[in-house]
Amino acid sequence: DAKTTQPDSMESTEGETVHLPCSHATISGNEYIYWYRQVPLQGPEYVTHGLQQNTTNSMAFLAIASDRKSSTLILTHVSLRDAAVYHCILRGGTGSKLSFGKGAKLTVSP
Amino acid sequence: GGIITQTPKFLIGQEGQKLTLKCQQNFNHDTMYWYRQDSGKGLRLIYYSITENDLQKGDLSEGYDASREKKSSFSLTVTSAQKNEMAVFLCASSDWGTSAETLYFGSGTRLTVL
Repeated sequence: DAKTTQPDSMESTEGETVHLPCSHATISGNEYIYWYRQVPLQGPEYVTHGLQQNTTNSMAFLAIASDRKSSTLILTHVSLRDAAVYHCILRGGTGSKLSFGKGAKLTVSP
Repeated sequence: GGIITQTPKFLIGQEGQKLTLKCQQNFNHDTMYWYRQDSGKGLRLIYYSITENDLQKGDLSEGYDASREKKSSFSLTVTSAQKNEMAVFLCASSDWGTSAETLYFGSGTRLTVL
């Protein structure tokens, strides 16, 4: 059963900032929020993760709502290389398994 | 850095055939995973292994066997290929038990059954 809800697809243009939403209304206190992305003919690639605080790295900024029921992956100055399927997934306690849904397909136009 | 190597990249089989997929990792990770991805769908966990000689069933283990004889390798066997089956099998590895556990994936084995 999917524990996260994402739009099926989103569109953007090169140079824009993109906000990818994810809803996880039934998240448990010990569950981390992970984001992966996947391009055709490749396996998923780790983007970022967080528990409660917003996080940032070279790939993206992850904004987590104060009640943790939703999160947003923010990609700044997107390029054509950012076009991918983005998966928002939850991971429970240490050592638990990751379950992937269909994800959200991001299309980037020149 | 490390890499996950899956072989073969493409696999064509016949109905009823037993097919084996191989995965190697040089991250020195404890845990390895096999996922199946069907076109336009999410990933479903078939088997995982948290250490050498350990095997744990995932959500989709029926019809598959797995083997983890070495820390660096994890193989998956389709026990009887189904006619017209098409899917991508993805292998991954991670450090089990770390709070920031991240999965690293291979590029997949694409299976077609004639």
